Amino acid sequence: EVKLLESGGGLVQPGGSRRLSCAASGFNFNDYAMSWVRQAPGKGLEWVSSIIVSGDRTYYADSVKGRFSISRDNSKNTLYLQMTSLRADDTAVYYCAKLRNSGRSQDYFDYWGPGNLVTVSS
Amino acid sequence: QSVLTQPPSVSGAPGQRVTISCTGSNSNIGAGFHVHWYQQLPGTAPKLLIYGNDNRPSGVPDRFSGSKSGTSASLAITGLQAEDEADYYCQSFDSSLSGRVFGGGTKLTVL
Repeated sequence: EVKLLESGGGLVQPGGSRRLSCAASGFNFNDYAMSWVRQAPGKGLEWVSSIIVSGDRTYYADSVKGRFSISRDNSKNTLYLQMTSLRADDTAVYYCAKLRNSGRSQDYFDYWGPGNLVTVSS
Repeated sequence: QSVLTQPPSVSGAPGQRVTISCTGSNSNIGAGFHVHWYQQLPGTAPKLLIYGNDNRPSGVPDRFSGSKSGTSASLAITGLQAEDEADYYCQSFDSSLSGRVFGGGTKLTVL
């Protein structure tokens, strides 16, 4: 059974940093691209970032480019999202999501974690 | 403002058929990129419902179906059930943004 579990969320001050982790199990983590998707309170889904299997290529939404960094440790089956220069509008539930294949444009999110709330507020 | 446009809400009585539209442009749906649909039950994470425009993952009832034409796509739900009450999101890829994009979501109410 595929399982994804996010951790690391919480309350952060504006301008601060936070690192989210996503522990994966139930599938060969080394074979699939991974993503982060967020959802602000009461709002819709927003794709944040994706990373290919090797970790050599990463992709970001314009809203987080230059502030967020996605990475993965295939030896630990873990996905990360390093968030810096956090703003109030980054407040959201952050979901870790597995991509069905290598992360090409036609790919889709076939499994999601339960999500982890990040609140940016003073 | 989402790149893909969905109606904010739809409703139907049990047993009825409803459709949810997803309108894009020539840089996403119209460019041939696939449309995928996700169901988000209240208080839970999204779940894959339709992939590759019209394919159902195993375990998804055949009451759910997807279609695509031109710059738009649709999700149809037949034989509406109370358990179908949820938010539904379409998703594709946009070549201008070089990233994945979602619709704003549609809240389905079963009357």
